[in-house]
Amino acid sequence: ETGVTQSPTHLIKTRGQQVTLRCSSQSGHNTVSWYQQALGQGPQFIFQYYREEENGRGNFPPRFSGLQFPNYSSELNVNALELDDSALYLCATFQGFVGSTDTQYFGPGTRLTVL
Amino acid sequence: GQNIDQPTEMTATEGAIVQINCTYQTSGFNGLFWYQQHAGEAPTFLSYNVLDGLEEKGRFSSFLSRSKGYSYLLLKELQMKDSASYLCAVRLSGGSYIPTFGRGTSLIVHP
Repeated sequence: ETGVTQSPTHLIKTRGQQVTLRCSSQSGHNTVSWYQQALGQGPQFIFQYYREEENGRGNFPPRFSGLQFPNYSSELNVNALELDDSALYLCATFQGFVGSTDTQYFGPGTRLTVL
Repeated sequence: GQNIDQPTEMTATEGAIVQINCTYQTSGFNGLFWYQQHAGEAPTFLSYNVLDGLEEKGRFSSFLSRSKGYSYLLLKELQMKDSASYLCAVRLSGGSYIPTFGRGTSLIVHP
């Protein structure tokens, strides 16, 4: 158990719809990263939030957006869903500061299927 | 661009030793992670190497050579439960904590 939770566990949407995924971080972890993992691939970095500010972004279009709340929980929003968005979405949290070597802890993921 | 290479799949026998290699060519380097991921589950942390050399942790060891852009994960006394995907990830710069992952190596352990 990592103390990181994600909801929902599974989700089915159709093309063009919008989706919101949620992540609650382990106590004291002020940094959250979101990843997309397609079948048979490694996780691809979407973006990271540190103390409610975006702190880095991967190669994903603007229809992927996020929020981090004062309690450090986080949301990933995806608009105008496409079939290729079908994947496992993972969040990972850690106690961040410059130069930190602490490990990040992954949540169980949300399996999104777009039909 | 960033390039992290791992074999796609490996098979091994229960009780044996297996070495999973990872080579990387990245703009900047500040550490290399190994994660284990069972099918349908989240990755779990195995090791983090920053300096050259071998780090041993029970049945698992991880090696890093920064000059060669090379790492390996060594699994000893293989058990059936070690069947999983093993992900190599490089941390690119010291100011951020954004590992870049390889595609992962699917390890199948058979009796």
